[in-house]
Amino acid sequence: QAGLTQPPSVSKGLRQTATLTCTGNSNNVGYQGAAWLQQHQGHPPKLLSYRNTNRPSGISERFSASRSGDTASLTITGLQPEDEAEYYCSAWDGRLRAWVFGGGTTLTVL
Amino acid sequence: EVQLVESGGGLVQPGGSLRLSCAASGLTFGIYWMSWVRQAPGKGLEWVATMNQDGSDKFYVDSVKGRFTISRDNARNSLDLQMNSLRAEDTAVFYCVGEEKGDAFDTWGQGTMVTVSS
Repeated sequence: QAGLTQPPSVSKGLRQTATLTCTGNSNNVGYQGAAWLQQHQGHPPKLLSYRNTNRPSGISERFSASRSGDTASLTITGLQPEDEAEYYCSAWDGRLRAWVFGGGTTLTVL
Repeated sequence: EVQLVESGGGLVQPGGSLRLSCAASGLTFGIYWMSWVRQAPGKGLEWVATMNQDGSDKFYVDSVKGRFTISRDNARNSLDLQMNSLRAEDTAVFYCVGEEKGDAFDTWGQGTMVTVSS
């Protein structure tokens, strides 16, 4: 099953803003939207956002998500050292009847 | 506290079988869609299987169809993954994952490692 497309890496400075992207198609991201997950090395992933813009309780307002067409975005403002992690997008593909993930973006905070 | 605790991982030879289990606590298990997601060493996340609340709908990634079976027991708050005909490429950490509204992977276990090797 084809996955979603994410840039392999993004580097930004401390307290700057990073925007991560996730591109799919009308059957997945453009269908029911995307979710974003954060994974620190050696730990399970954590949900940051779902259905494009919704944020679970306990997730910092520094994390905001959006969608335009078949591309979802995650914006992280005021970057902190603890934001260094792997970020994955996911979406349900209505045609494949399967969940699909992006390959992940490694965020480095300089 | 919401918890998903996986068990059953280990070392198995190619062609062998393994049954993973996930014990849920601190959540209303019966309303959750439940999934298994795996992560090969140094690689990204890969969805494996999903089932709905009463087990009437089950979905699998193509690479495991016919080999893996997802099941649940809502009375025991548990989720299983029966894995047969295991291959080296099945080597991964397997996570038990819950979806309260069926639209995102919101609750994750710590994972259990499965190694397929001779």
